[in-house]
Amino acid sequence: KAGVTQTPRYLIKTRGQQVTLSCSPISGHRSVSWYQQTPGQGLQFLFEYFSETQRNKGNFPGRFSGRQFSNSRSEMNVSTLELGDSALYLCASSTSPDQPQHFGDGTRLSIL
Amino acid sequence: GESVGLHLPTLSVQEGDNSIINCAYSNSASDYFIWYKQESGKGPQFIIDIRSNMDKRQGQRVTVLLNKTVKHLSLQIAATQPGDSAVYFCAELFSNTGNQFYFGTGTSLTVIP
Repeated sequence: KAGVTQTPRYLIKTRGQQVTLSCSPISGHRSVSWYQQTPGQGLQFLFEYFSETQRNKGNFPGRFSGRQFSNSRSEMNVSTLELGDSALYLCASSTSPDQPQHFGDGTRLSIL
Repeated sequence: GESVGLHLPTLSVQEGDNSIINCAYSNSASDYFIWYKQESGKGPQFIIDIRSNMDKRQGQRVTVLLNKTVKHLSLQIAATQPGDSAVYFCAELFSNTGNQFYFGTGTSLTVIP
């Protein structure tokens, strides 16, 4: 069974640009969560989707948004990028929100 | 132990020894806990989980202990191997906030050959 796939693995952007990251969950998993990981703050929850509905949202500005498609694939978008957005963005999927989450290897986003 | 926002704790052990990694969780209402292992350049990998109706759960070479009285979780790794070197996170599930997981900052384990 294929794991969680995130694309791209690495991304370099400049301030003010926007970016879209993609996540394909494990087959059969309908819950997808996104996290931001930085050395100083650890894993910070961004949002969670289940059956195309955003069920939870973390404490991030509105520049961070996401969506989930009918096939459970998910995307997150960050607009007007700032230097502080440089981080590893992780996607995790599970069969339902209260079950173990399985992570992809992340997208490393660097802002210049 | 682990606390969100603090410097990453480190633990060094000799190969073959047992390792104990600790985690202090924050919400007494949390009812589900997971330990993850993260190797350099990879995403967190599920190791073992435990529900709040249990005190102990064992896997292959790993044991998780839950003490709800003091809100403490520990991961024991038996016969630690070089491949166990990684950052270990505990995660707690806040069911009362719509099933959201909260992660500690992690403990860096180094196994000395």
